[in-house]
Amino acid sequence: GAGVSQSPSNKVTEKGKDVELRCDPISGHTALYWYRQSLGQGLEFLIYFQGNSAPDKSGLPSDRFSAERTGGSVSTLTIQRTQQEDSAVYLCASSSGGLSPLHFGNGTRLTVT
Amino acid sequence: RKEVEQDPGPFNVPEGATVAFNCTYSNSASQSFFWYRQDCRKEPKLLMSVYSSGNEDGRFTAQLNRASQYISLLIRDSKLSDSATYLCVVNTDRGSYIPTFGRGTSLIVHP
Repeated sequence: GAGVSQSPSNKVTEKGKDVELRCDPISGHTALYWYRQSLGQGLEFLIYFQGNSAPDKSGLPSDRFSAERTGGSVSTLTIQRTQQEDSAVYLCASSSGGLSPLHFGNGTRLTVT
Repeated sequence: RKEVEQDPGPFNVPEGATVAFNCTYSNSASQSFFWYRQDCRKEPKLLMSVYSSGNEDGRFTAQLNRASQYISLLIRDSKLSDSATYLCVVNTDRGSYIPTFGRGTSLIVHP
């Protein structure tokens, strides 16, 4: 079946602009995660959605970052007033919930110039 | 102490060799464990789950040692295509389920 789909694959933006990154999880998966990975670094947790519960936003690095998940499916990660340090690969993953393994999308490579 | 720690390597081994990686975790209440593989500039992909009894998938064997709080991955008969970074992942029920990823161990298999 279809895996996790992310768009765009690549995004180049100017410092100070807002960007929106989209994630379409595996059908039926109730949990959705956003991570980011800077070059040569590990995965950094950003935000977690589980069903209709309030999201766990504990990993968001600043108030410029926000995310929503509409209808328990598609999620959008928004970064306002982008900074150069926001340049990274943003990875979305979904799972069937609980302690189940995550399945990742191909990621969005964000470059802030 | 980091929640999940791995030796970054690189482990440089010839084809056909057997290689093993360890990963330690700090939270004794951790409940699920996985190994992921990540190729350069690609997303992480699930390699295998790790069970208390140990489990094997072809050339790959994973073990969990709860008493010493580490998991291991053994790769037998290494192939060139095994070259990648191997990520250790630990998940704990803290009211929410947020897996913690290790920084990864780099494996290079050479001819």
